[in-house]
Amino acid sequence: AQKVTQAQTEISVVEKEDVTLDCVYETRDTTYYLFWYKQPPSGELVFLIRRNSFDEQNEISGRYSWNFQKSTSSFNFTITASQVVDSAVYFCALSGRSTNAGKSTFGDGTTLTVKP
Amino acid sequence: DGGITQSPKYLFRKEGQNVTLSCEQNLNHDAMYWYRQDPGQGLRLIYYSQIVNDFQKGDIAEGYSVSREKKESFPLTVTSAQKNPTAFYLCASSTSNFYNEQFFGPGTRLTVL
Repeated sequence: AQKVTQAQTEISVVEKEDVTLDCVYETRDTTYYLFWYKQPPSGELVFLIRRNSFDEQNEISGRYSWNFQKSTSSFNFTITASQVVDSAVYFCALSGRSTNAGKSTFGDGTTLTVKP
Repeated sequence: DGGITQSPKYLFRKEGQNVTLSCEQNLNHDAMYWYRQDPGQGLRLIYYSQIVNDFQKGDIAEGYSVSREKKESFPLTVTSAQKNPTAFYLCASSTSNFYNEQFFGPGTRLTVL
């Protein structure tokens, strides 16, 4: 069985603050992929990043960075110098080799509000 | 442009009526999914299909039905048996590989009066 936990239901920050969204996962698969998606107020989920279980290198894309640690089963997402446009619901997801192809397990999401 | 379309964006129905939500993709993906999202909630999987003419129940399939007669299309019918159908419905597609991300449509907000 797979499980993704996003313990932070809601986070509120002021613009330009850094913010980290936590994601903890459980899986029995040794080969798996982790994903982050952003859901802006318009409603459509947008894919942000994919990371496989064999690659623990941190990833940085502009103001976004991701920290993957297998030892703690975590795949955290940090936004540096947050902006109002970052306000959205962020979902972490997991897909393991043993699951039906393409079927991911999603966390419950973290609602991020960035205030001007 | 490749992508997923869902129509309509907003849908209103009277209680007791069946309603069908459209989902079309031109990404040539084998797998398609339907999710339900309630206010402040995460995504709950209703049905998914990995290939034409085949589909499986997700976590909350009761009161819903689907068909997959064409690769591009995966319509969802919300039946009168669904006790609380008012929600935001998202359709997604992906390749049939566990390592690929899902692509989502813009969603349909269904309100049952």
